[in-house]
Amino acid sequence: GEDVEQSLFLSVREGDSSVINCTYTDSSSTYLYWYKQEPGAGLQLLTYIFSNMDMKQDQRLTVLLNKKDKHLSLRIADTQTGDSAIYFCAEIPNAGNMLTFGGGTRLMVKP
Amino acid sequence: GAGVSQTPSNKVTEKGKYVELRCDPISGHTALYWYRQSLGQGPEFLIYFQGTGAADDSGLPNDRFFAVRPEGSVSTLKIQRTERGDSAVYLCASSETSADNEQFFGPGTRLTVL
Repeated sequence: GEDVEQSLFLSVREGDSSVINCTYTDSSSTYLYWYKQEPGAGLQLLTYIFSNMDMKQDQRLTVLLNKKDKHLSLRIADTQTGDSAIYFCAEIPNAGNMLTFGGGTRLMVKP
Repeated sequence: GAGVSQTPSNKVTEKGKYVELRCDPISGHTALYWYRQSLGQGPEFLIYFQGTGAADDSGLPNDRFFAVRPEGSVSTLKIQRTERGDSAVYLCASSETSADNEQFFGPGTRLTVL
């Protein structure tokens, strides 16, 4: 199975907050990431958090990290239709340089 | 260029044929990565270059897959005797150094093996 797990689908109304969750298995991961992928487009790095941090805020995005539970979340405030996309959680294990991705969460924003 | 570019954007080939996929990283980036994304899944790591050498090729699925980066810039992913299961989007990423935690992705090459 995958080392990084995400729920498949999330639907929210425009203006609401979205919370996308992720669990990972490598406790030695140094960085954890959120990428966005729109249809037919490449992966766009949204934000990342260093493993010694609990929270990082960047405009409408808030990342929360619970190292004890190996749980990462991405909160999008005031979700817009343009936020509709697939969101991937990823980690870089301490032993390597490559990203290990989850299966992605498809976010659908209803007007 | 401003970002990572990949050519071709789409490639359709027949089972058993040989294909080459090209990646142009961001100028000056020394680390280059290849990933493969199958339909409905997250990208999976294939190979990573630091400069001209393959620092980690543990993700290559078998010996039909090979990649080069002879001058430390452009990289080519080569697939011999393609199989239908090789159909996927092949993504390239680069980072300024191997220690840099930000990888920037290209738009990918969609490979379809008939």
